[in-house]
Amino acid sequence: DADVTQTPRNRITKTGKRIMLECSQTKGHDRMYWYRQDPGLGLRLIYYSFDVKDINKGEISDGYSVSRQAQAKFSLSLESAIPNQTALYFCATSEDSYNEQFFGPGTRLTVL
Amino acid sequence: RKEVEQDPGPFNVPEGATVAFNCTYSNSASQSFFWYRQDCRKEPKLLMSVYSSGNEDGRFTAQLNRASQYISLLIRDSKLSDSATYLCVVNMRGNKLVFGAGTILRVKS
Repeated sequence: DADVTQTPRNRITKTGKRIMLECSQTKGHDRMYWYRQDPGLGLRLIYYSFDVKDINKGEISDGYSVSRQAQAKFSLSLESAIPNQTALYFCATSEDSYNEQFFGPGTRLTVL
Repeated sequence: RKEVEQDPGPFNVPEGATVAFNCTYSNSASQSFFWYRQDCRKEPKLLMSVYSSGNEDGRFTAQLNRASQYISLLIRDSKLSDSATYLCVVNMRGNKLVFGAGTILRVKS
């Protein structure tokens, strides 16, 4: 089984809809991250969490919110989706800030 | 100026060729450096960390030049399976990593 899983893997939704992307990990890491990837822009950090009680904004948090339900679970919500949130979304985990991040398989989100 | 900059490519090379990518970073206080590999529509995966003394893993060699603030990745004897996007990653502010936009490599037979 994969160490980091994301659901759904693909989602098409309409402008204005609320949508939640979920991430689970079995690596036992405290640190979890949400990124979005757009062509030519690389990965950009949306939110990150260093433990269950710690949530931090990344560079592009506007329009997004997160919830850290447990050490193993970190969900990303789009309260009112808009077309420019169409992107590939990745969840990642790490043991600390200086070593490898492990990524989930990604969620391809399309907002019409 | 972007915090981490890479030549987007694509680099089109024949099998067996040697190819090198560079990446520059803006924060001289950066402490950790990595190369990740990303296959089309897949998640990034760590290829190798980059140490101050340089490091080698099989056909791959990574080097760090702190004075000029760049890291490099050298791939020798390129294989078709090396075709991917290579992401330069830098820990710039202690708490999180900053990813470059990636360099596309296409190895052709």
